[in-house]
Amino acid sequence: QVQLQESGPGLVKPSETLSLTCTVSGGSFSSYFWSWIRQPPGKGLEWIGYIYYSGSTKYNPSLKSRVTMSVDTSKNQFSLKLSSVTAADTAVYYCARETKYCSSTSCATHFDYWGQGTLVTVSS
Amino acid sequence: QSVLTQPPSASGTPGQRVTISCSGSSSNIGSNTVNWYQQLPGTAPKLLIYSNDQRPSGVPDRFSGSKSGTSASLAISGLQSEDEADYYCAAWDDSLNGWVFGGGTKLTVL
Repeated sequence: QVQLQESGPGLVKPSETLSLTCTVSGGSFSSYFWSWIRQPPGKGLEWIGYIYYSGSTKYNPSLKSRVTMSVDTSKNQFSLKLSSVTAADTAVYYCARETKYCSSTSCATHFDYWGQGTLVTVSS
Repeated sequence: QSVLTQPPSASGTPGQRVTISCSGSSSNIGSNTVNWYQQLPGTAPKLLIYSNDQRPSGVPDRFSGSKSGTSASLAISGLQSEDEADYYCAAWDDSLNGWVFGGGTKLTVL
């Protein structure tokens, strides 16, 4: 059974950099896209970006200037750095695996496994 | 303001059938498939429906999805108390070049 686990500080000061790591166990790390998704308290979901196991990335345009993702295939881990944080970045941060499904006519992807989430609070 | 539009709330009584809508545009739902996620209180989202109408193993057939044009719907039949949760639709957006979500619908079982 595939499991994802987020780890990192639960409290970050304004203007500093938020750093989280997601560790994947119980399944293959290769050939998948790995995403970060966040949810402010009481609000909806926001996709932050993804990283392919090879290291290629794609970020949400609204966060692109502040986001960096990296991958460590030797440890089955991928990481998120979000710089210059403000209170608006307070949220539960989830890591998730993106899986491809192909019908007879086309292929598409979806998030099939999620971590339990970790709350990051931005406050001095 | 979410790119995909969902009603903020829905409700039904046990055994009833309810539907939740998700409205988008030509750059997301109109040109890509829709996925639905269920988020029980205090837990991570869980995949409920993928590629418009496919159910992952373990998801009861009471849950079904459909798509037409730039809108999609999630239907839940034989409503049960354990279905009380937040439901989110999601699709890839070709203009934004990223995933977009609906604002979520809170389902209450009366």
